[in-house]
Amino acid sequence: EAGVAQSPRYKIIEKRQSVAFWCNPISGHATLYWYQQILGQGPKLLIQFQNNGVVDDSQLPKDRFSAERLKGVDSTLKIQPAKLEDSAVYLCASSSLRDYYNEQFFGPGTRLTVL
Amino acid sequence: AQKVTQAQTEISVVEKEDVTLDCVYETRDTTYYLFWYKQPPSGELVFLIRRNSFDEQNEISGRYSWNFQKSTSSFNFTITASQVVDSAVYFCALREQTSGSRLTFGEGTQLTVNP
Repeated sequence: EAGVAQSPRYKIIEKRQSVAFWCNPISGHATLYWYQQILGQGPKLLIQFQNNGVVDDSQLPKDRFSAERLKGVDSTLKIQPAKLEDSAVYLCASSSLRDYYNEQFFGPGTRLTVL
Repeated sequence: AQKVTQAQTEISVVEKEDVTLDCVYETRDTTYYLFWYKQPPSGELVFLIRRNSFDEQNEISGRYSWNFQKSTSSFNFTITASQVVDSAVYFCALREQTSGSRLTFGEGTQLTVNP
C-alpha cells in the first residue's frame, strides 16, 4: 500500500512570494490533515478535511494560508504572501473513517525556507 | 485546554544504555488517547504506540516499553539497550475525545545514541 505522498520535498522562496504544496493521501482515506512543524517544535494542526469538507481550521492563519481538497482526494496548501516565520516543514497526514482510532499516517513533509 | 510537555529537549546516550523519555499531559477530558511517534532525520513521523485513558496497563514491544500513570498524568517511554538506529526526535501526543481527530504534540525530545 502506497503511503502519503507530498511534493515538493523542499522549497526556497523569498518573503512576499507565493507557494503551494501538494498532498496525495493513502487511497481510501477520507480524512486529510495539514500540519506545520517549526524547527525545534512539535507539529501543529493547520487544517483537517473529511472528504472535501473542512472539519477543523481553527489554527489556520486565514489571512495568508488557504487549503482545498476539491475532489475529496488530493489536497493543496497555499501560502500567499509568505513571511519569514512561515519557514517550517509542512506535513500531510491521512486517516481512514473505518479505523476506530483514526490513526494518522504521515507523509515525508515539505521543507519550506523563506528568505 | 490540552497540553503535552516533554521537558527533555535533548538526550545523549552511549549505545546499549537504557534511556527514558518523559511525557506529561494536561486534559480535562475523561476519554483521551496518548501516542508516541518517532521522527528520524528523513522527516516522516512514524507511529509507535497508542494508549487510551482507560487502559493503564504498561506495554512492552521488543526493546520499547511504555509506562502510563494517570495519577501523575505521565506517559513515559523507555528504550532498553539503545542502538544507534534509535537516534531520532521522539514526540508524545494527545488526542481528546472532544477534539475529534486533532493531535496535540509535545515539543519533542532529540535522542542521540552514540556508538
